[in-house]
Amino acid sequence: DAGVIQSPRHEVTEMGQEVTLRCKPISGHNSLFWYRQTMMRGLELLIYFNNNVPIDDSGMPEDRFSAKMPNASFSTLKIQPSEPRDSAVYFCASSLAGLTGELFFGEGSRLTVL
Amino acid sequence: DQQVKQNSPSLSVQEGRISILNCDYTNSMFDYFLWYKKYPAEGPTFLISISSIKDKNEDGRFTVFLNKSAKHLSLHIVPSQPGDSAVYFCAASGMPGYALNFGKGTSLLVTP
Repeated sequence: DAGVIQSPRHEVTEMGQEVTLRCKPISGHNSLFWYRQTMMRGLELLIYFNNNVPIDDSGMPEDRFSAKMPNASFSTLKIQPSEPRDSAVYFCASSLAGLTGELFFGEGSRLTVL
Repeated sequence: DQQVKQNSPSLSVQEGRISILNCDYTNSMFDYFLWYKKYPAEGPTFLISISSIKDKNEDGRFTVFLNKSAKHLSLHIVPSQPGDSAVYFCAASGMPGYALNFGKGTSLLVTP
């Protein structure tokens, strides 16, 4: 069974460019999470969806960040315009909320903004 | 504000010995606690969990202890193996499967 699939694995872009990160959750999972990992802040929650509806986006840094989940099998995290301080590893995770406890993570998208 | 804290950034242990990783939390509403393991260039993978109704959960070489009154949990690995070398994250949530609050991680090195 396929796990959480993220793309791209690596992205190098210049400041001011738009970045779109993609995630396909595990089939049947009803919750999807976007996390960001940096040395300073560790793993921080950006936003999470339950049944495709955004539940908590309080972790989204600012208006430059947006996330969508148009259907149960796909989500995007967009940064526009990107800045060097956005450089981090972005993880997507999914779970079966309320039934099983653990979140299943993708391999991450490493973003470098020059 | 970090609600889950791992105060030791790194730990080095000899192969065969016990590794003890510690975690503290501040939010008394947390009811579900997990440990994740992360290798470089990979996503975190679930290791073991415990709910607030228990004080111990064991899975093979891994045991998690929870002290609710002290808001403290620990992960014991016995015996430690070189393949256990990774970053270990403590995490907590109010309900299973919902958003997790993570600590900053402890990098464990198990030396032969």
